[in-house]
Amino acid sequence: EAGVTQFPSHSVIEKGQTVTLRCDPISGHDNLYWYRRVMGKEIKFLLHFVKESKQDESGMPNNRFLAERTGGTYSTLKVQPAELEDSGVYFCASSPLAGSGETQYFGPGTRLLVL
Amino acid sequence: KQEVTQIPAALSVPEGENLVLNCSFTDSAIYNLQWFRQDPGKGLTSLLLIQSSQREQTSGRLNASLDKSSGRSTLYIAASQPGDSATYLCAVRPRIQGAQKLVFGQGTRLTINP
Repeated sequence: EAGVTQFPSHSVIEKGQTVTLRCDPISGHDNLYWYRRVMGKEIKFLLHFVKESKQDESGMPNNRFLAERTGGTYSTLKVQPAELEDSGVYFCASSPLAGSGETQYFGPGTRLLVL
Repeated sequence: KQEVTQIPAALSVPEGENLVLNCSFTDSAIYNLQWFRQDPGKGLTSLLLIQSSQREQTSGRLNASLDKSSGRSTLYIAASQPGDSATYLCAVRPRIQGAQKLVFGQGTRLTINP
């Protein structure tokens, strides 16, 4: 069974440009999460989808970030316009639709560098 | 606000030693606690998940304990091997209705020297 996949693995863009990150969760996982780790900091939660609905977006830093999950399968995270402080590693995770005891399975991350 | 702290930030030990990694959290209202491993340039691999009602979990040479009332967890690695070198992350799932987010510590970077 394929794990969580993310594309691209790396992205280098200039300040003010737009970048779109993609996440494909494990097949059948209704929960999808976005996290990010900026330089020197811990991994922080961004948002959580249940199927196509945003369940919790309390971690989204500002309105330059837009996450979508049309059809409840893959998800995209768009940053527009990108700022220098957006540099970091963006992780996606997924888990089955179940109770409180489920492990979240993480993808390899997208390394974003904003110059 | 839940905060997770991991000490030490880095640890280097000779192969074969037993070692303990520490994790502390500020709010005992959690559903569970997970230990992850991250290799350079890779994603996170879940090692052990301890439910709030449990005291410990074991997998092979790994043993994780949870003392929810004191806000502490330890990850014990027995007979360490060079392949255990990685960053180890602790994360808790706060007991917040409708939320499934994880709150992470900064990690402990472990190096096992042959």
